[in-house]
Amino acid sequence: EIVMTQSPVTLSVSPGERATLSCRASQSVGSNLAWYQQIPGQAPRLLMYGASTRLTGIPAKFSGSGSGTEFTLTISSLQSEDFAVYYCQQYNGWPHTFGGGTKVEI
Amino acid sequence: QVRLVESGGGLVKPGGSLRLSCSASGFIFSDYSMHWIRQAPGKGLEWVAFISGSGDATYYVDSVKGRFSISRDNAKNSVFLQMYNLRADDTAVYYCARDPNTGVAAHWGQGTLVTVSS
Repeated sequence: EIVMTQSPVTLSVSPGERATLSCRASQSVGSNLAWYQQIPGQAPRLLMYGASTRLTGIPAKFSGSGSGTEFTLTISSLQSEDFAVYYCQQYNGWPHTFGGGTKVEI
Repeated sequence: QVRLVESGGGLVKPGGSLRLSCSASGFIFSDYSMHWIRQAPGKGLEWVAFISGSGDATYYVDSVKGRFSISRDNAKNSVFLQMYNLRADDTAVYYCARDPNTGVAAHWGQGTLVTVSS
């Protein structure tokens, strides 16, 4: 099983600032890495797949990078609606595993 | 638009069984693979099971192998998760999600809560 590790667990950011979230895989997953956002009380939603491809409708303030074992999600100019928990997930091998999440808080 | 509605959750005793359903609309159901993903209270996401569009390929996380079974009825636009021998650590909100055959959970339902407790 591929273990996904996200850091930090909690990220405190002021509105208007940039947030940088990290995700590490225990072995290479190529570019088969997705990012999800979960606002409290809601179902998760897909933001990005293929490590850097935004889903249609996701604003350009969200950007992803990386390949292999090291990945980054950057959120520029944070607004109130961006404060949430973010999860990475590898889908290179079964089982598809999630990281533990990063909570982005004000 | 894409709509996924889970049902069948509830309170069940340890060792009991439950069958979750996910009803889909707004797209050609048989063209898409489907996943079940769960989230224990206050915890992160855990991928549980996958089924291909035709139903001929299925995968499971190790912790549910031999206890859970995923299936689908393309004529009824539905995917199911049959759960046997439930344990306390199966307590979670269970989400179904649509996969455009890329591996990702692109669209999610709102989830159904399963509570395993005596």
